Amino acid sequence: EAGVTQFPSHSVIEKGQTVTLRCDPISGHDNLYWYRRVMGKEIKFLLHFVKESKQDESGMPNNRFLAERTGGTYSTLKVQPAELEDSGVYFCASSQGWSATDTQYFGPGTRLTVL
Amino acid sequence: QQQVKQSPQSLIVQKGGISIINCAYENTAFDYFPWYQQFPGKGPALLIAIRPDVSEKKEGRFTISFNKSAKQFSLHIMDSQPGDSATYFCAASIQYTGRRALTFGSGTRLQVQP
Repeated sequence: EAGVTQFPSHSVIEKGQTVTLRCDPISGHDNLYWYRRVMGKEIKFLLHFVKESKQDESGMPNNRFLAERTGGTYSTLKVQPAELEDSGVYFCASSQGWSATDTQYFGPGTRLTVL
Repeated sequence: QQQVKQSPQSLIVQKGGISIINCAYENTAFDYFPWYQQFPGKGPALLIAIRPDVSEKKEGRFTISFNKSAKQFSLHIMDSQPGDSATYFCAASIQYTGRRALTFGSGTRLQVQP
């Protein structure tokens, strides 16, 4: 069974540009999460989809970030316009349910560098 | 405000030694405490987890010790091997209405020297 995949693996953009990250969850997983890790710090929650609905977007830093999950399959996270502080590794995770014991499976991440 | 504090930031252990990573939390509403292991170029993967009504959980060479009154928990890796070299994250999980949130520590980079 394929795991969570993310594209691209790396992205280097200039401040003010737009970047779109993509996540393909494990097939059948209704729950999809986005997280971000800024250099050396904790992995921080951004938002949670259940199917195509945003269940919790309390972690989104500001309105420059837009996440979508049309059709309840893959998800995209767009940053527009990108700022220097947006640099970091963006992880996507998916799970079947959202109980405590429902394991979140993480993708390899997208390393975003904003110059 | 960081809700889960993890230490040390980095750790070097000799092969065969014991690796210990500590975490502390403040919110008593957390109800599940997983540990994740991350190898370079990979995403974090669940390693072992514990509920707060259990003081210890062991899986092979990995043990979680949990102290509810002190609001602390730790990961012990016995007989550490070079293949254990990775970044380890503690986490705490909390349930809200219709959703669950996972809060991570800042990570510990473990290097096991042969």
